[in-house]
Amino acid sequence: DAKTTQPNSMESNEEEPVHLPCNHSTISGTDYIHWYRQLPSQGPEYVIHGLTSNVNNRMASLAIAEDRKSSTLILHRATLRDAAVYYCILRTQAGNMLTFGGGTRLMVKP
Amino acid sequence: KAGVTQTPRYLIKTRGQQVTLSCSPISGHRSVSWYQQTPGQGLQFLFEYFSETQRNKGNFPGRFSGRQFSNSRSEMNVSTLELGDSALYLCASSTARPDTEAFFGQGTRLTVV
Repeated sequence: DAKTTQPNSMESNEEEPVHLPCNHSTISGTDYIHWYRQLPSQGPEYVIHGLTSNVNNRMASLAIAEDRKSSTLILHRATLRDAAVYYCILRTQAGNMLTFGGGTRLMVKP
Repeated sequence: KAGVTQTPRYLIKTRGQQVTLSCSPISGHRSVSWYQQTPGQGLQFLFEYFSETQRNKGNFPGRFSGRQFSNSRSEMNVSTLELGDSALYLCASSTARPDTEAFFGQGTRLTVV
């Protein structure tokens, strides 16, 4: 069963920041929070991951709540190429499978 | 380094036939997992192999099977194909550590007619 909850869709204007929320209230202490995105006609691609602290990389930032029950993926300046389905996933020590929920379809308007 | 390679990219089969899909992981990755993606069900986990052993299995019928070879390459097989098996089949390669990323292939688009 999916352990994360995301809005079905979000819309953003090009070159504006986007905050994609994710709830994971049943997260355990050793679960890592991963974000992947899937562009049309492609396999999912890794975006970012974190455990407790906020993380930044060249693609995005990940803000993790202090109680770790929610997180937010931040795209600092959305481009048309960022239009994709974004998946928030908990990656556990117990198994290596990724349990995908429905994800958030991000639409970027020019 | 080379990415995850899935072959073939596209496949058309007839109901009742069987099909074998292949996945070559990134060099050094011992974990390969398979997923089925359909418009109605989204991305669903099929199974995961690590060092030639199936470690986890999703909720799919026994017609879906897989294996992993000593070089970490993996195959999945679907027997007695049904129309509902039409989907994009994706494999992911990783080190199996939860603090590392998984790399996905482009997928194999299977159409059952």
